[in-house]
Amino acid sequence: AQRVTQPEKLLSVFKGAPVELKCNYSYSGSPELFWYVQYSRQRLQLLLRHISRESIKGFTADLNKGETSFHLKKPFAQEEDSAMYYCALNGGSARQLTFGSGTQLTVLP
Amino acid sequence: GAGVSQSPSNKVTEKGKDVELRCDPISGHTALYWYRQSLGQGLEFLIYFQGNSAPDKSGLPSDRFSAERTGGSVSTLTIQRTQQEDSAVYLCASSGTGGTVYGYTFGSGTRLTVV
Repeated sequence: AQRVTQPEKLLSVFKGAPVELKCNYSYSGSPELFWYVQYSRQRLQLLLRHISRESIKGFTADLNKGETSFHLKKPFAQEEDSAMYYCALNGGSARQLTFGSGTQLTVLP
Repeated sequence: GAGVSQSPSNKVTEKGKDVELRCDPISGHTALYWYRQSLGQGLEFLIYFQGNSAPDKSGLPSDRFSAERTGGSVSTLTIQRTQQEDSAVYLCASSGTGGTVYGYTFGSGTRLTVV
C-alpha cells in the first residue's frame, strides 16, 4: 500500500522567511513524487515533480529515500505563495496518484 | 480542448436525488481520473479509466457511485440516491501516454452540495 502524509494542515510564515512544507511517504519501491498547488479559486495544478529536479517559482523538493520524505522548500516566501499544497505519490503498478491531505500555506505581509 | 472541462461547476441537489457529473478531458489523453476533494480530507481517488475501460474501480465509496467513459473521451460520474456525505468537490484529471510520470491536468471541479 502507498500512503502520503502531510503533517501540517496549516502553516503560516512571514514574507521573506524560509518555508518548508513536509511530506512523508510510505512505499517500498522507487516512487514518483509530485507537488501540486491550488491557489484561491483556481484549479489544482502541478508545481513540480522529483524526476525533473526542477525549481519552479523558487520552490525545490528533494527526494530522500532514507527518510522517505519529499519536503517542499523555498528560501524566501512571497505573499503570492499562499495556497493549498498537496504532495502526491505514484508507486509501482498503481495507475493513479495518491495524495496527501494538503497543507494550507499562508504568507503574512 | 485546451484543458480539462467539467460541468456543472456547481450542483445543489436534494437528498435522495440522482446526479450526473461530466468531464471532458484534454483531447488525445487516454487516461482519465476522478477524485473527490473534501474539506480537510485531501483528494480521495474514485476511479481511473484507460481508454473506455476502468481497470481500477477500487475507490468508489459505494454502489451508489458509477462512472462510464465513451469514445475514449467524455466521462460521466453518476451518484444515485445522493446523501449529505456525498457533498464535496469532484475533480476530474487526465494524462497522456506518459501516464502519471508527467503528472495530471485537473479540471476546475464540480462542487456538489446535497441538502
